[in-house]
Amino acid sequence: DAGVIQSPRHEVTEMGQEVTLRCKPISGHDYLFWYRQTMMRGLELLIYFNNNVPIDDSGMPEDRFSAKMPNASFSTLKIQPSEPRDSAVYFCASSDRHYGYTFGSGTRLTVV
Amino acid sequence: AQSVTQLGSHVSVSEGALVLLRCNYSSSVPPYLFWYVQYPNQGLQLLLKYTTGATLVKGINGFEAEFKKSETSFHLTKPSAHMSDAAEYFCAVSEPTSGTYKYIFGTGTRLKVLA
Repeated sequence: DAGVIQSPRHEVTEMGQEVTLRCKPISGHDYLFWYRQTMMRGLELLIYFNNNVPIDDSGMPEDRFSAKMPNASFSTLKIQPSEPRDSAVYFCASSDRHYGYTFGSGTRLTVV
Repeated sequence: AQSVTQLGSHVSVSEGALVLLRCNYSSSVPPYLFWYVQYPNQGLQLLLKYTTGATLVKGINGFEAEFKKSETSFHLTKPSAHMSDAAEYFCAVSEPTSGTYKYIFGTGTRLKVLA
């Protein structure tokens, strides 16, 4: 298996623009998680899905953030409009409950 | 609510010396506990996990951790540090019996290995 695949690896955008981050989980995993990592706040859980249904989105910082999982093999995290304070590394992880999370390589987002 | 405290944001050891990274947790139900490692510009990789059963858990790269319920601890150890162990290490807790499956991560400990 290719693991959890995130795209793009790096994204530089201007303040106010829409940003879409993408994730392909491991086939057969029924949980998907979005985390944000910054020096100041460490790893923050933004939202997680079970069987494509959002279970807990209490970590989504503002209405500017939204996440979808239209099917078992794809999820997106969208920021609209983006702000400089959104600059971070965003990780997607998937799990089948038994073996722990498998993380993607992350998307480094820079908003200028 | 569950929480994780990692003591020491930076730890330095000499090559060949014992590695000890500390993790204490808070949980209202029997927890699942995890250690992850993150190398520069990479995602987190699972080192080891405790769910039930034997409290001494062995993981990859020679690491192990012991679940001590009375101390609410899950410290990570390795008998002899190698240069390749330099990375950031994260402890995490989840409460599967509470109906949720999210992990709460500690703030991380950056391990430096001195030649």
